[in-house]
Amino acid sequence: QKEVEQDPGPLSVPEGAIVSLNCTYSNSAFQYFMWYRQYSRKGPELLMYTYSSGNKEDGRFTAQVDKSSKYISLFIRDSQPSDSATYLCAKVGRDDKIIFGKGTRLHILP
Amino acid sequence: SQTIHQWPATLVQPVGSPLSLECTVEGTSNPNLYWYRQAAGRGLQLLFYSVGIGQISSEVPQNLSASRPQDRQFILSSKKLLLSDSGFYLCACRGKGVTEAFFGQGTRLTVV
Repeated sequence: QKEVEQDPGPLSVPEGAIVSLNCTYSNSAFQYFMWYRQYSRKGPELLMYTYSSGNKEDGRFTAQVDKSSKYISLFIRDSQPSDSATYLCAKVGRDDKIIFGKGTRLHILP
Repeated sequence: SQTIHQWPATLVQPVGSPLSLECTVEGTSNPNLYWYRQAAGRGLQLLFYSVGIGQISSEVPQNLSASRPQDRQFILSSKKLLLSDSGFYLCACRGKGVTEAFFGQGTRLTVV
């Protein structure tokens, strides 16, 4: 079982909808999680990070961690066509390794 | 803030040729450095990471090697490229005591 699992999509939603992106993880030893956005043929861009269970909000983005179910989520409110990209979740272990999920391709339909 | 430089942006190399990709970092000292490979339509596979000069951890047995000759320089090498080495190679940097990890813009390698 991979350490971080992520549905590759694609996920298509209409403009203005709330987007929910999810990852599961298998190893409970971690420091924190990060979410990245990657446009085609570009390097990933950090969106936000979260340490513990609960929600963290930054503008239209909310990250959520549920330790009991080993589930992490990223919500995007008021989605826009410019949000169309691949979204990657990553787990940072206590050994400083950063392990990524496969990424979810998101399409926001105008 | 940190800046990660990777070059070249694209590279086409014949099978059996050597490879050297360089990553240099500005704006931080003694960072953790990482090399990833991303195959088309897939996630980031961790290849190597380094917590200091000369300290390299290898994650995937393969045709590649990494070196860190200076604090802010991380090099990915191969003596003889294989077709399966094609992909998008990304360097990442995370400062000590810093949460965020930042990426360079990557090198797209095609082995022909």
